[in-house]
This record gives sequence, C-alpha cells and structure tokens, in this order.
Amino acid sequence: DAKTTQPTSMDCAEGRAANLPCNHSTISGNEYVYWYRQIHSQGPQYIIHGLKNNETNEMASLIITEDRKSSTLILPHATLRDTAVYYCIVRLWGGTSYGKLTFGQGTILTVHP
Amino acid sequence: NAGVMQNPRHLVRRRGQEARLRCSPMKGHSHVYWYRQLPEEGLKFMVYLQKENIIDESGMPKERFSAEFPKEGPSILRIQQVVRGDSAAYFCASSPPGLFPPDTQYFGPGTRLTVL
Repeated sequence: DAKTTQPTSMDCAEGRAANLPCNHSTISGNEYVYWYRQIHSQGPQYIIHGLKNNETNEMASLIITEDRKSSTLILPHATLRDTAVYYCIVRLWGGTSYGKLTFGQGTILTVHP
Repeated sequence: NAGVMQNPRHLVRRRGQEARLRCSPMKGHSHVYWYRQLPEEGLKFMVYLQKENIIDESGMPKERFSAEFPKEGPSILRIQQVVRGDSAAYFCASSPPGLFPPDTQYFGPGTRLTVL
C-alpha cells in the first residue's frame, strides 16, 4: 500500500472547519483513500473513503486532488467530541493485501473552545 | 443493528496463562480482522479471517498466537503463555461479504489485556 504523510498535530476552534491534509504521492490507480479516527483509545471509527471523486457523508467531506497525490478531510463544524487521532490510509484493492488496513501515526486533532 | 462486539473489555492474566479474546462481527458480516495496539504505538494488523478460513496472517507473531473464526460463534484470538509484552489493546473489525470495494471495516471497542 502507498505510504501516507500527515501532520503530527493540528488545532481547530470549535465550530470552525477542520481541514486535515494527507499526502500520498505514490498512490496507484487502484488504491483507495480511507479515513478513520480513534477517539481516546476507543476502537477506530470509519469516516469516509474515496477513489478519485470528492465524497461527502454525514460526518465529513473528502477532497482528492486531480492527480490523486494528496487529499483533505474536512470536518465542516468541528466540536469538542471531534478531538481524536485521524488516520489517512491508502489501501490497495485486489491481490493479497486487500484485507488489511495499514495505520500510520495519524494526525492528532485538538478542538478547543 | 448492533455493532462489532468484543469481550471481555478488560482482561488480566498472569505470565504463563492463556488469554482468549472474543469478537462477534456485525450482523451479516463474514470477514473478521484483528489488530493490536501496543501502549503508545499505532494499530498493527494481525490476521484476517473469513468463516473457517485464515486469509492473511502476515501480522501474527509466529509463536503463541492463534486465531479462528468458526462456522458458528464468535471469532477467537488466543494467546498462549502470555508475557508482559502482550499487554495491549486488541481490536476486532468486521466487514461484509463480497470482494468489491468498499469493504469498509467497522471496529469493536477493543479488549484491553494486562499481563501481570
């Protein structure tokens, strides 16, 4: 799976949009971008995923650049409960590695009042 | 629809004992994954199972660890002769059947294993 690079930490004010970047410059055509988060040692929570088009769901939006070398997760109105470690994962579909998720260090997002 | 269930949530064992961790996948899910998170470290994949089959065990330690997902009942991660280095949070995830993306994995709350 392609390697991802994320900032170690970010801050965001409550009520503002949180924009979390992820670089995946070696991504290949059949690799998806997934985002998960882990709140204070709970089980990871799925947020969103995409291949090449921008995606939106009730939790967040995912913006993938046209060359697919980077993406941004957007939490439109961050709350204190969004404080968590956010993981950007690029995942190959097919072959023998299609099962597992490879977690990096992620971005520690702190939402403050 | 209940989520992924894991039990026990906390497990304390003495060195040399056996630990059994259980995972009940979400209803309709037939794929199960186990991950381990050591203290202050990231999540690491251990094993991927489908009913009665181990698909990928590339992340499993070579000794003392085993996993199964029987036709009936929960998936079991078994650690024999536990050592202090096995102390960690063990997370189970499940995904629906089929080989088409997205097979989004949904995680359980984890089992915190402490080895004394």
